[in-house]
Amino acid sequence: KQEVTQIPAALSVPEGENLVLNCSFTDSAIYNLQWFRQDPGKGLTSLLLIQSSQREQTSGRLNASLDKSSGRSTLYIAASQPGDSATYLCATNDYKLSFGAGTTVTVRA
Amino acid sequence: GAGVSQSPSNKVTEKGKDVELRCDPISGHTALYWYRQSLGQGLEFLIYFQGNSAPDKSGLPSDRFSAERTGGSVSTLTIQRTQQEDSAVYLCASSLEQGSTTGELFFGEGSRLTVL
Repeated sequence: KQEVTQIPAALSVPEGENLVLNCSFTDSAIYNLQWFRQDPGKGLTSLLLIQSSQREQTSGRLNASLDKSSGRSTLYIAASQPGDSATYLCATNDYKLSFGAGTTVTVRA
Repeated sequence: GAGVSQSPSNKVTEKGKDVELRCDPISGHTALYWYRQSLGQGLEFLIYFQGNSAPDKSGLPSDRFSAERTGGSVSTLTIQRTQQEDSAVYLCASSLEQGSTTGELFFGEGSRLTVL
């Protein structure tokens, strides 16, 4: 059974600082890995999808890397803004998603 | 609509009653998933539909839970004889197809169920 772990569970940074969110997983037999953002009381918004054959994916200030051999993915958010405050979830896809518990980010103005 | 649509957004019911939650996936998406998010908990897989294949029901927590998908589109999750521990947000997601390079999942806003 896939186990997905996200560290840290919570993170508070001043505006402008870069964010580094970690995700580890136990089974490397995945189709892809997806990062989501969840605002309080809302559904999940897809941020980035990394295929199993890819090493990284970028969208604006977001960059996600994937190292299947070590079972790790990292989400980088450059120049954080208060609007980036949310819970970030990673999920591996081996036909169904296995989610980590998330990292709750607070960006202080 | 452009996204995954779920209804109702909020449902309050009494213990023992049955509830139905509806999901309308993105048009053309063949894969549909139901997940549950309990307060302070992670997302829990419930059930998965892919085209005309038999659904994967391995995540359903008890036989009080069932789901169907009519015409390969709209799905209904039914919870019979609700219990207080069923209180959670039920999230639906769809993707173009399962296990492919286009396997990005898109989630609805969820249905928040409160069992009194």
